[in-house]
Amino acid sequence: QQQVKQSPQSLIVQKGGIPIINCAYENTAFDYFPWYQQFPGKGPALLIAIRPDVSEKKEGRFTISFNKSAKQFSLHIMDSQPGDSATYFCAASLWFGNEKLTFGTGTRLTIIP
Amino acid sequence: DAGVTQSPTHLIKTRGQQVTLRCSPKSGHDTVSWYQQALGQGPQFIFQYYEEEERQRGNFPDRFSGHQFPNYSSELNVNALLLGDSALYLCASTLTGAFSGANVLTFGAGSRLTVL
Repeated sequence: QQQVKQSPQSLIVQKGGIPIINCAYENTAFDYFPWYQQFPGKGPALLIAIRPDVSEKKEGRFTISFNKSAKQFSLHIMDSQPGDSATYFCAASLWFGNEKLTFGTGTRLTIIP
Repeated sequence: DAGVTQSPTHLIKTRGQQVTLRCSPKSGHDTVSWYQQALGQGPQFIFQYYEEEERQRGNFPDRFSGHQFPNYSSELNVNALLLGDSALYLCASTLTGAFSGANVLTFGAGSRLTVL
């Protein structure tokens, strides 16, 4: 019940395209859903996060779409750039005590020029 | 402003040995969490330390233990190492302040442990 399933495992998109990464969770108690970006040799860094009281959140070129009834959420990257090439992790936790994050398995994104 | 610093960056141990990993949180942060990231996997929560006490724990055996010092730095200890303990160990820090809610976690670059 604690799993967060993430797909696809890897994704190759042309520059300017819109990669979409999907996640599904099982624990309905989760109420905080962040996305992390990780470059090789670095730790994950928070990209954007959403709570289930909204269906969409945008920050710059990054958008989270959230479907509470389906227990799914996704990350869209607009006008993708080669510098966006990284591994992306979705995660879920409780709003209070969010240090205990449950991560997805990651998506390795490659943006080709 | 230094972020989260971890040491050592790489280390090799043999089965049955013990290892200690160290973490200095970001300046101003008082809470430290540890995660294990196996190759090709997402990080898995080990435990969280606040006010020198373990506050939350993930599904890890007692071989994994930790400590937080008065200066908020932390150690992760793993006893009786197994081959499956080979992973990147990440430390994340945050500030648990008067505001109760989601805190932004700042991760270090990790300590890569190889068990032979």
